[in-house]
Amino acid sequence: EVQLVESGGGLVQPGGSLRLSCAASGFTVSGKYMSWVRQASGKGLEWVSIIYSDDSTYYADSVKGRFTISRDNSKNTLFLQMNSLRAEDTAVYYCASNFPFDPWGQGALVTVSS
Amino acid sequence: EIVLTQSPGTLSLSPGERATLSCRASQSVSSSNLAWYQQKPGQAPRLLIYGASSRATGIPARFSGGGSGTDFTLTISRLEPEDSAVYYCQQYGASPLGTFGPGTKVDVK
Repeated sequence: EVQLVESGGGLVQPGGSLRLSCAASGFTVSGKYMSWVRQASGKGLEWVSIIYSDDSTYYADSVKGRFTISRDNSKNTLFLQMNSLRAEDTAVYYCASNFPFDPWGQGALVTVSS
Repeated sequence: EIVLTQSPGTLSLSPGERATLSCRASQSVSSSNLAWYQQKPGQAPRLLIYGASSRATGIPARFSGGGSGTDFTLTISRLEPEDSAVYYCQQYGASPLGTFGPGTKVDVK
């Protein structure tokens, strides 16, 4: 079964850092388009970042310079390193595979608050 | 920068009725790069339609997509109660990559 499972969410103070993980099973992340999408409570979906099959990376303007997407093929896992976090980064973060996005993980809640 | 708008914001219909959801882009989008997702409360989104009109694996035939250029539609031919959800369109070719529309909430009761 193809599955994505996020972990690493939690409560962090403004200015702090957090690293999200997205473990894949049933397929390999290597060579795949892999993305992060977030959703603030009661709001719509916001694309955050993508890593292409050639490992080129792209970011939404709202996170550029603060977030870094990467993957570890040996662990079959996608990561999102989030630095200089702000209150407006509070959201459920989903990882997703392919382009368009299918499948999706179940999401990890990130709360940025003092 | 491509901006997607969706209408209506909310749609309240009865089971068996037909729902037509609209997605309009601020500039032309390649039909091969337009998708629709369904999101139910507390769940991750699910891909319904890709390439503007192709159903994803396991999606019932009552869901269909169409359109081209700047105007796209998602049609649910005969609504069922489990179709209550928020539906998002997405363009996935031009910058900013992966832009979503604001969503249309469909309430079936």
